Amino acid sequence: DAMVIQNPRYQVTQFGKPVTLSCSQTLNHNVMYWYQQKSSQAPKLLFHYYDKDFNNEADTPDNFQSRRPNTSFCFLDIRSPGLGDAAMYLCATAKLAGEKLFFGSGTQLSVL
Amino acid sequence: AQSVAQPEDQVNVAEGNPLTVKCTYSVSGNPYLFWYVQYPNRGLQFLLKYITGDNLVKGSYGFEAEFNKSQTSFHLKKPSALVSDSALYFCAVRDRTGGFKTIFGAGTRLFVKA
Repeated sequence: DAMVIQNPRYQVTQFGKPVTLSCSQTLNHNVMYWYQQKSSQAPKLLFHYYDKDFNNEADTPDNFQSRRPNTSFCFLDIRSPGLGDAAMYLCATAKLAGEKLFFGSGTQLSVL
Repeated sequence: AQSVAQPEDQVNVAEGNPLTVKCTYSVSGNPYLFWYVQYPNRGLQFLLKYITGDNLVKGSYGFEAEFNKSQTSFHLKKPSALVSDSALYFCAVRDRTGGFKTIFGAGTRLFVKA
């Protein structure tokens, strides 16, 4: 089935050690999103791509970077994770502006 | 700037009773409006959306929502709640003039008691 896949499901990293989360999609959607969600709070938009056009939220820390090498893949890089970056990271896709988002199952990041 | 408010952290209903989960929004233009549901340790699942047309939209699992432009609200409803409806519900908005940016409300936890 077409879907949004996030790997790994759980990721443990050390304070200050770079970590990369990955997302892939078989839906051929133009738009990909990264959200951060803490403890059942509102998913917070970090950035999104429309094709290769990158849109960063004004309050997304510089510590967070993203890459989208092709339509199918998108990566979230956290250059120096802090304890406050422990969260669920959700990847989502959408085809058009009025269309629903398709979410992956998320990656739960722990920072030790 | 666009924003979404879900005024209730939690809603408790008895099984078989109607339920309402409230949502109000603020956008500079006309909105796309969505409801999503989240079960523990999972991603969000789409329930329904309002794009244009009929103010009452029907979605998955018997849920519906009513768009009220004058009150800038998009409340989620179901005529008869099930225990299995217990989950976290998120309202989301996208400004038609704002590209693809989608903002979520803080979420409302629904408890349905048998």
